[in-house]
Amino acid sequence: EAAVTQSPRSKVAVTGGKVTLSCHQTNNHDYMYWYRQDTGHGLRLIHYSYVADSTEKGDIPDGYKASRPSQENFSLILELASLSQTAVYFCASSTGDSDYTFGSGTRLLVI
Amino acid sequence: GQQVQQSPASLVLQEGENAELQCNFSTSLNSMQWFYQRPGGSLVSLFYNPSGTKHSGRLTSTTVIKERRSSLHISSSQTTDSGTYLCALANYNVLYFGSGTKLTVEP
Repeated sequence: EAAVTQSPRSKVAVTGGKVTLSCHQTNNHDYMYWYRQDTGHGLRLIHYSYVADSTEKGDIPDGYKASRPSQENFSLILELASLSQTAVYFCASSTGDSDYTFGSGTRLLVI
Repeated sequence: GQQVQQSPASLVLQEGENAELQCNFSTSLNSMQWFYQRPGGSLVSLFYNPSGTKHSGRLTSTTVIKERRSSLHISSSQTTDSGTYLCALANYNVLYFGSGTKLTVEP
């Protein structure tokens, strides 16, 4: 079954440390996205990509980098994690039209 | 970013009551989508609705582009409908989300 798989499911990171969140899709979709959700809020777009080896900035890219080494894989990198980056992170893939599939989310706690 | 406003922020119903959730957007769009977010966090797509009215069981979505709004109607609510409902505006192959409506249906 086509899916979007995120790893890890949850993580505790130390302020100033490096964090990498991974996403893998088997949908054969061109588009992949990273969103963050803060408690009681909707999802905000961090980075997205429509082709391997290329990424685009979303609405809140500061403090985050993204990497798309292949069509199936899309990573989100926090080089210097900060307390304000504590959130739930969702990865998604899409055809770019109506078909969107979301991962189950990664709960990140920065202490 | 794109502006998507959802209302109400929260809603409490008694089982069997109907609910009307609203989404307003301040820019042009390619389409509107509605998602249900389970209490555990995962998102389920409910409707892809660029315009007009669509039905799925007890759910109805109506999008009126000229008025820049979309609504989600839930009829005869059930306790299992509890969760967060998110609308998302699709523009240039990217989804922009509203802040969500947290629905609680009490028995």
